[in-house]
Parts: sequence; C-alpha cells; structure tokens
Amino acid sequence: AQSVTQPDIHITVSEGASLELRCNYSYGATPYLFWYVQSPGQGLQLLLKYFSGDTLVQGIKGFEAEFKRSQSSFNLRKPSVHWSDAAEYFCAVAPYGGSQGNLIFGKGTKLSVKP
Amino acid sequence: EAGVAQSPRYKIIEKRQSVAFWCNPISGHATLYWYQQILGQGPKLLIQFQNNGVVDDSQLPKDRFSAERLKGVDSTLKIQPAKLEDSAVYLCASSLGSSGHEQFFGPGTRLTVL
Repeated sequence: AQSVTQPDIHITVSEGASLELRCNYSYGATPYLFWYVQSPGQGLQLLLKYFSGDTLVQGIKGFEAEFKRSQSSFNLRKPSVHWSDAAEYFCAVAPYGGSQGNLIFGKGTKLSVKP
Repeated sequence: EAGVAQSPRYKIIEKRQSVAFWCNPISGHATLYWYQQILGQGPKLLIQFQNNGVVDDSQLPKDRFSAERLKGVDSTLKIQPAKLEDSAVYLCASSLGSSGHEQFFGPGTRLTVL
C-alpha cells in the first residue's frame, strides 16, 4: 500500500535560518509528489509539485523540493525562513498515471519560527 | 477567481445526532473531493466525484456517511448518526480533472461531537 512518512512532527527554526522538512514515500513506481502548507484555520495551499523531469522543483514563497528516486524522498527546503512560514506542512503522493487523483498525505510537520 | 466555499465553518453536535456539510467548488472544476482530517493527522480521502458520479468511495464509512453531488456542481456530506470519533475537520477540494491536476482546498468545517 502507498504511504507517506514525515519523520519530524515538530520543528523549530530561527528566523533567517535554513529549513529542510523530510518526506519519504512508499510506492511501486514514481508517483506524483506534492507539498502543501496549512495555516491555522485555513485550508491547504499547494507549495509545489513534481510529476517528472528536473528533480529540483521550485515552488511559491521561496520553497523548493528535490526528488531523489534512490531514497524515495521528496524533501522540502527553504534557504531563509520568515516568521510567516510558521504553519503545518504536508507531503502527499498520488498514483502516477492513474485515473484517480486522490492524494495520500503524511501526518504533517509543524513548523515554529523563533524571532 | 472565487475559491472553494464550505459551510458551516464550525459545528458542535451530540453523538447520535446528524449533521450535513456543504461545499461549492471552483467554477468549472469537474472533480470534487471530501477529506477527513483528524487532529494530528494528514487529510484522508473519503470520497471523490467526477462530475456527478462517484469515482472512489472506498474509505467512506457508508453505514453512517453519505455524500451527493446531484447536479455536478456543489456537494453535501452527511453523517447520521455521528460518533465521537467523527470529530475532525472536513475538507472539500476541487480540481479541473482527476489524475495529476492541482487540488484546491476550502477552509474546512470543524466538527466536534460531544
């Protein structure tokens, strides 16, 4: 069965520091890969997605993620965190080439930002 | 462009009562999803519609949950009767198509079952 693992439940970084959020997936082939952000009381917003091609993808708000097939990973990075980045981040996968688009989400990583 | 609308935003009910949630997707989006997000977890798909047909409802507890999208536009999700473990945020999302298309999420309905 497909699954997504986000090993870190909660991460705290200082404003201006770099950030890396980890995501590993379990799937027989390369799925579609996504990162979403959820601010308190709000719905999820797509940060970036990977379907194929260049394994380093750029997203909104200065985020990027790198797909590593050998490690089944899709880690999210940002070189300099801003206080407004404090939120919960979800990695998700969807079957590649399937007729269904349902997303399978990880449990999320909550990001706190210290001033 | 208007986003995905959901109502109500909050609902508190007692167990064994019934409740209904409403979702209006982005105009022109053929695919509509309902997710359940329990505290501390990622969203879990309950049901996926393509226009007014059900594509996937394998994780919908059909003994108590039902959903419809009669005219292929807005949708309702109902729980009857509710249990304590149904306390969660119910998220609606829509997309232009199914596989590979970006899903746009509404703000969710937070349900508390007492």
